[in-house]
Amino acid sequence: SQTIHQWPATLVQPVGSPLSLECTVEGTSNPNLYWYRQAAGRGLQLLFYSVGIGQISSEVPQNLSASRPQDRQFILSSKKLLLSDSGFYLCAWSVGQTNTEAFFGQGTRLTVV
Amino acid sequence: GQQVMQIPQYQHVQEGEDFTTYCNSSTTLSNIQWYKQRPGGHPVFLIQLVKSGEVKKQKRLTFQFGEAKKNSSLHITATQTTDVGTYFCRGRANFNKFYFGSGTKLNVKP
Repeated sequence: SQTIHQWPATLVQPVGSPLSLECTVEGTSNPNLYWYRQAAGRGLQLLFYSVGIGQISSEVPQNLSASRPQDRQFILSSKKLLLSDSGFYLCAWSVGQTNTEAFFGQGTRLTVV
Repeated sequence: GQQVMQIPQYQHVQEGEDFTTYCNSSTTLSNIQWYKQRPGGHPVFLIQLVKSGEVKKQKRLTFQFGEAKKNSSLHITATQTTDVGTYFCRGRANFNKFYFGSGTKLNVKP
């Protein structure tokens, strides 16, 4: 069966520090991968999506970046965090173009102080 | 930017009352999905609608997809405290572009 792992679960980082969140998927090949951010009490904002290794599409210009070094690995990074980067970050995957159900990781709650 | 609008933002109901949340898109959607996010948790897939005018039911939940495939609704009959959470729609606009609605947070008073 397919599983998705996202870590860490919680993170407190000072302003200006770097960020690296990792997400890995098991049990499937060539998944579509997504990074979403959810501000407190708000909706889900699509940050990045990837349809293959090295293929990243950005939805929102900001100080975050994403990389996909391996087929089932998706990394969200920042060189210098801002206070406004605080939120709940969710990684998700889906397969193919027609079967578009998305499966989410447990999320990372990031607090920038 | 946001392409799928969802209302209401919040809904407080007494247990046993009905609840409905609506999603509207400015563009035609190839399909629409609904997710539920419990407090502190991650979104979990509920259902997907594909056909124009499609209606699907899951026990007390009824999902509809509009004839023009631009709007959708989720209706819960006789809410229970276990229904508490935030309900999101997710629309597929074009190839691999999926947008979530802003969500409706449901609170059910026992």
